[in-house]
Amino acid sequence: AQSVAQPEDQVNVAEGNPLTVKCTYSVSGNPYLFWYVQYPNRGLQFLLKYITGDNLVKGSYGFEAEFNKSQTSFHLKKPSALVSDSALYFCAVRDHTGGFKTIFGAGTRLFVKA
Amino acid sequence: GAGVSQSPSNKVTEKGKDVELRCDPISGHTALYWYRQRLGQGLEFLIYFQGNSAPDKSGLPSDRFSAERTGESVSTLTIQRTQQEDSAVYLCASSSIGGPSTDTQYFGPGTRLTVL
Repeated sequence: AQSVAQPEDQVNVAEGNPLTVKCTYSVSGNPYLFWYVQYPNRGLQFLLKYITGDNLVKGSYGFEAEFNKSQTSFHLKKPSALVSDSALYFCAVRDHTGGFKTIFGAGTRLFVKA
Repeated sequence: GAGVSQSPSNKVTEKGKDVELRCDPISGHTALYWYRQRLGQGLEFLIYFQGNSAPDKSGLPSDRFSAERTGESVSTLTIQRTQQEDSAVYLCASSSIGGPSTDTQYFGPGTRLTVL
């Protein structure tokens, strides 16, 4: 069965510092991996995805994520956090060899302090 | 339209009533998903449509929940005999199949359902 774990309910970081939001997954086949962000009073927005190819994926707003097959991880990173990055971040996985269901993690709330 | 739209934005109903939620996907998007997001929780997959067929209904929580889609257009999620535990935000997303945007889901603003 597919599953996604976001081990941190909340991440606090100072503006200008690097940030990492963690995600690990479990699928039986090859994964499609995604990060989405939910800003207050706004809908979910796509940030980036890994389908195949380079393990380091670059996305919107300066975010990037690294696919690590051996550790089954897909951590979201940004070199320098902004206050405006404060939001709820969701990691998601789909097993592209076994159906269409996309499983979302429980979400990690990121607080960036000025 | 430019994005995914959902209606109504808010729905308050009494326990035992039926409700119908509507989703208008991005034009040309073959794939359509419904999710449920309870307060403070992540997204719970409900159903996936490819065109007007639903090859994955595995997330529908009970037979009170059903969904249909007309062609590659509007979808409706119906909840019969609503219960208080059905209170949540119901999100719809659409995506294209094939090309660089494949599997990228574009979400609507959601319908907030409150069952009294």
